[in-house]
Amino acid sequence: SAVISQKPSRDICQRGTSLTIQCQVDSQVTMMFWYRQQPGQSLTLIATANQGSEATYESGFVIDKFPISRPNLTFSTLTVSNMSPEDSSIYLCSVEKVGSYEQYFGPGTRLTVT
Amino acid sequence: AQSVTQLDSQVPVFEEAPVELRCNYSSSVSVYLFWYVQYPNQGLQLLLKYLSGSTLVESINGFEAEFNKSQTSFHLRKPSVHISDTAEYFCAVKKAAGNKLTFGGGTRVLVKP
Repeated sequence: SAVISQKPSRDICQRGTSLTIQCQVDSQVTMMFWYRQQPGQSLTLIATANQGSEATYESGFVIDKFPISRPNLTFSTLTVSNMSPEDSSIYLCSVEKVGSYEQYFGPGTRLTVT
Repeated sequence: AQSVTQLDSQVPVFEEAPVELRCNYSSSVSVYLFWYVQYPNQGLQLLLKYLSGSTLVESINGFEAEFNKSQTSFHLRKPSVHISDTAEYFCAVKKAAGNKLTFGGGTRVLVKP
């Protein structure tokens, strides 16, 4: 498994502002992902964070709205830009290790936009 | 593209009774299958997985799931539930040659005393 931490654990933000969420894992991993879980709903993949190159975004998600960085094998950030109340969700980081087919999830960041 | 359907959004069950959570998937290629559990106000935890081999897989806390290729299902069962099993359960599928996890809509299990 992997130990994954996310900061902040929760935040309340004003409309129009941006929030950067950090994800740190305790060991080197090949893949890092960002998911969104809207209230009462399932998880949707936002993007795959690629080390040293641009993230790979899923349909419906764009870099201008959700810029992602991954400077090394253990750390990634997701920024939620120009927020609106519709961005109120839990944002989760997940990782997949070399040779493993399993993804492990961080505790999530609960974002409320007012 | 793959998809996952969890047929029950909520399952109320009495303590010590059995429970079955249904999961069906669609995919044109070989897949890996997972069940995750999300306890109230917590993150997702991997409960069990099917990669290959025996079609019946078990978790350490008494859950089991059976992969049925012909019915494209991966139902989760527990013969006797505890109050502590109250949680949301998510079925997920991943292409054997890919990385993207696709989740079902989730099943909320409420165990009543």
